[in-house]
Amino acid sequence: AQSVTQLDSQVPVFEEAPVELRCNYSSSVSVYLFWYVQYPNQGLQLLLKYLSGSTLVESINGFEAEFNKSQTSFHLRKPSVHISDTAEYFCAVSDRGSNYKLTFGKGTLLTVNP
Amino acid sequence: GAGVSQSPSNKVTEKGKDVELRCDPISGHTALYWYRQSLGQGLEFLIYFQGNSAPDKSGLPSDRFSAERTGGSVSTLTIQRTQQEDSAVYLCASSLDSQSLNEQFFGPGTRLTVL
Repeated sequence: AQSVTQLDSQVPVFEEAPVELRCNYSSSVSVYLFWYVQYPNQGLQLLLKYLSGSTLVESINGFEAEFNKSQTSFHLRKPSVHISDTAEYFCAVSDRGSNYKLTFGKGTLLTVNP
Repeated sequence: GAGVSQSPSNKVTEKGKDVELRCDPISGHTALYWYRQSLGQGLEFLIYFQGNSAPDKSGLPSDRFSAERTGGSVSTLTIQRTQQEDSAVYLCASSLDSQSLNEQFFGPGTRLTVL
C-alpha cells in the first residue's frame, strides 16, 4: 500500500521568502502525484498535478513541483511567498493501477508572516 | 456552477447514537468519494462510488460504517453506534468519472464530534 510522508507539519516563513514543502511517497510503481491546498475555512482545492511528461509542473499562482522518480519525491516550491499563500498543503499519490484512490500525507501548514 | 455540498456542516452526537452524513456531488459527476480527516492525520480514503455501485469499500474502518448512493447522485455515509474515535471531518469529493484521471472536487466537509 502507498504511503505519503510530509516531513514538516508546520513551516513558518516571512513574506517574499522562498519556501519548499517536502513530500516523499513509498512505492516505486508508476504513480500520479498531486498537491492540494486548503485555505482557512475553505475546502480542499487541487493546486497542481503530475500525470506524465515533463517532471516539472507549475500552478497558476507561482508554485511548482518536480517529480523525482529515483528519490520518490514531489517537493513543492515557490521562490517568493505572499501572505495569501498561508494555508495547509497536502501531497497525494495514486497508483496508476487504481487511479481513483488518493493517498494523502498528513499535511504541512504554511504560515506566511509579514 | 454549484460545487460539492455536504450536510450538516457540524454534527455533535452522543456515543452510541447513529449518524447520517449527506453529500451532493457536482451535477454530472459519476464518481463520488468519501474521505475522513482525523486530527493530526492526513485524509483517509473510505469508499468510492462509480454510479450507484461501490467497487472499493476497503477503507471503511469497521462494519459500523456504511454508505449508499442513489440515482447516481446523492450519497449518505452512515455511522452506527458512534464511538469517540469516530470524531473527525468527513469529506466528500466527486469527479467526472473514476476511469480517467479527472480532478476530484472536494466539499467543505462535515465535522463530527462524538461526546
